[in-house]
Amino acid sequence: DIQMTQSPSSLSASVGDRVTFTCQASQDINNYLNWYQQKPGKAPKLLIYDASNLETGVPSRFSGSGSGTDFTFTISSLQPEDIATYYCQQYENVPITFGQGTRLDIK
Amino acid sequence: EVQLVESGGGLIQPGGSLRLSCAASGFTVSSSYMTWVRQAPGKGLEWVSVIYAGGTTFHAESVQGRFIISRDNSKNTLYLQMNSLRAEDTAVYYCAKDQTSCGGDCYGFWGQGTLVTVSS
Repeated sequence: DIQMTQSPSSLSASVGDRVTFTCQASQDINNYLNWYQQKPGKAPKLLIYDASNLETGVPSRFSGSGSGTDFTFTISSLQPEDIATYYCQQYENVPITFGQGTRLDIK
Repeated sequence: EVQLVESGGGLIQPGGSLRLSCAASGFTVSSSYMTWVRQAPGKGLEWVSVIYAGGTTFHAESVQGRFIISRDNSKNTLYLQMNSLRAEDTAVYYCAKDQTSCGGDCYGFWGQGTLVTVSS
């Protein structure tokens, strides 16, 4: 199975900050990497697919990059509504696997 | 508009069976990649099962031989038959549909989730 490791596991930042976190795959997954946002009590929401493509309707402050084993997710200017847990997910191979999540809150 | 509505969750004793349903509207289940993802209380997301448009299915090792994903094309509904349930299967179960601009398992549409609690 492909292991997905996210870091950090939690992060505190101020409104307006640029926020970056990472996801590392245990083997090459090309660009088959998605990012989801999940707020408490809600279903996950797809933000970025295929490593760098912004899902329709998602604000442009969100972006993703990377290929192979190392990926980055960035929020260019943190907003209060961005408080959530963020998960990466690979689909290079079955079983599909998620990272353990990065919990983001406001300082 | 794409909608997914899960049902069938509840409290079940260890060793019991339960069938979850995910009623779909706004698209055709048989033409989509459909998956079940679960989330244990306070934990992260865990992929459970997928059924592809061609009918091929896969299950996570943790549920292999106990859970079966299927669909009823006439009802446009996805199912998850869960047998031999264990305490560690306690979770919110979400069904999700692929986002078609992506090349594969990118899940752009999700249901609201249904809670399964396995306890005596």
